[in-house]
Amino acid sequence: DGGITQSPKYLFRKEGQNVTLSCEQNLNHDAMYWYRQDPGQGLRLIYYSQIVNDFQKGDIAEGYSVSREKKESFPLTVTSAQKNPTAFYLCASSMLLAGQLAYNEQFFGPGTRLTVL
Amino acid sequence: AQKVTQAQTEISVVEKEDVTLDCVYETRDTTYYLFWYKQPPSGELVFLIRRNSFDEQNEISGRYSWNFQKSTSSFNFTITASQVVDSAVYFCALSEGRIYNQGGKLIFGQGTELSVKP
Repeated sequence: DGGITQSPKYLFRKEGQNVTLSCEQNLNHDAMYWYRQDPGQGLRLIYYSQIVNDFQKGDIAEGYSVSREKKESFPLTVTSAQKNPTAFYLCASSMLLAGQLAYNEQFFGPGTRLTVL
Repeated sequence: AQKVTQAQTEISVVEKEDVTLDCVYETRDTTYYLFWYKQPPSGELVFLIRRNSFDEQNEISGRYSWNFQKSTSSFNFTITASQVVDSAVYFCALSEGRIYNQGGKLIFGQGTELSVKP
């Protein structure tokens, strides 16, 4: 079955630790995205990548880092510089069609819930 | 500015009632796309519909219908004869056209939590 997988489902982090959230897709999609969801605030874009070895900051990139070494994978690292990382993190992907991404719906993974202890 | 507003934070209805979820958007672009997503308790967002700015036809899919009105910058979602399984958080989202939005960025509203009671 094609889809997006995220792991782990739940993650606990101690103060000062870096943690990495995994996102893998087998949809052969070109673009991948990371969103953060906080209660009552909807989803906010952290980083996105249109092609391998290239990525751009979203609206709330501070304290996060990403890599895109393979088309299928887009891991997100939450660094110790992120002051309030407790949130629900969602990974998404979409296809590049007719030279644009804006038109196409994004497919989402099941999410990772990160809690800082 | 690009913005999506879902003024209704929570809605509670009894099964079989009709319910409308409101979505108002702001955009600088003449070409844009509007989406609705459903987020059940499991957390994964499920795509429901896409509308482009040049197509103002309303759409119906089973018990779901959408009303797109450019004159009021609204894209409202109606569930007819609601069911308990409709309980979820619903998000409206905006994607501007490729001139402003090479990356396909989605701008989400705050979401409306719908609770359908038996």
